[in-house]
Amino acid sequence: RKEVEQDPGPFNVPEGATVAFNCTYSNSASQSFFWYRQDCRKEPKLLMSVYSSGNEDGRFTAQLNRASQYISLLIRDSKLSDSATYLCVAHNAGNMLTFGGGTRLMVKP
Amino acid sequence: EPEVTQTPSHQVTQMGQEVILRCVPISNHLYFYWYRQILGQKVEFLVSFYNNEISEKSEIFDDQFSVERPDGSNFTLKIRSTKLEDSAMYFCASSKDRGYDNEQFFGPGTRLTVL
Repeated sequence: RKEVEQDPGPFNVPEGATVAFNCTYSNSASQSFFWYRQDCRKEPKLLMSVYSSGNEDGRFTAQLNRASQYISLLIRDSKLSDSATYLCVAHNAGNMLTFGGGTRLMVKP
Repeated sequence: EPEVTQTPSHQVTQMGQEVILRCVPISNHLYFYWYRQILGQKVEFLVSFYNNEISEKSEIFDDQFSVERPDGSNFTLKIRSTKLEDSAMYFCASSKDRGYDNEQFFGPGTRLTVL
């Protein structure tokens, strides 16, 4: 099976903290990766794409290590509004997205 | 900003009944998808659709499921004879292209409850 695995959490952090999530994938042929954010009972929304060497978008940094088949998401200066489930997603052949189970983040005041 | 819409937001049905879930993809998108998420579980791919044909389908998408684009705007998922285990959130998505860097935009979902 072509799986994407994540620590389900929850990660409980205070406002302003830095938090990191990890994800591993088993399909070495996966071409691209994404982090999606999902609020309770809502649809997944794209947070950021992760390409060869990773990328940064404001407080969010994503890294990809193809050799280890490992992806990370770093959130700096956490806000209350960052509380959500973060989904690690691989884009595989056939244009299908394979989702991890998600990591739940709770940011507390 | 254009968005994917889905109706109904919640559908309750009796086991064995047929249901049709409706989606209106973003207007200039060419690729359409259905995913489902059983409560507390992962989002799972069901099917992708392009040029009025199924491009790819998962093992979940068995003979009970079918998809159709009946007109220029709607994209539907039909479940012929619902089972209890079909209870889930069903998300429609669309993308402009099929490349690896093309974002799939998700609709708000239809919550299907099979009694």
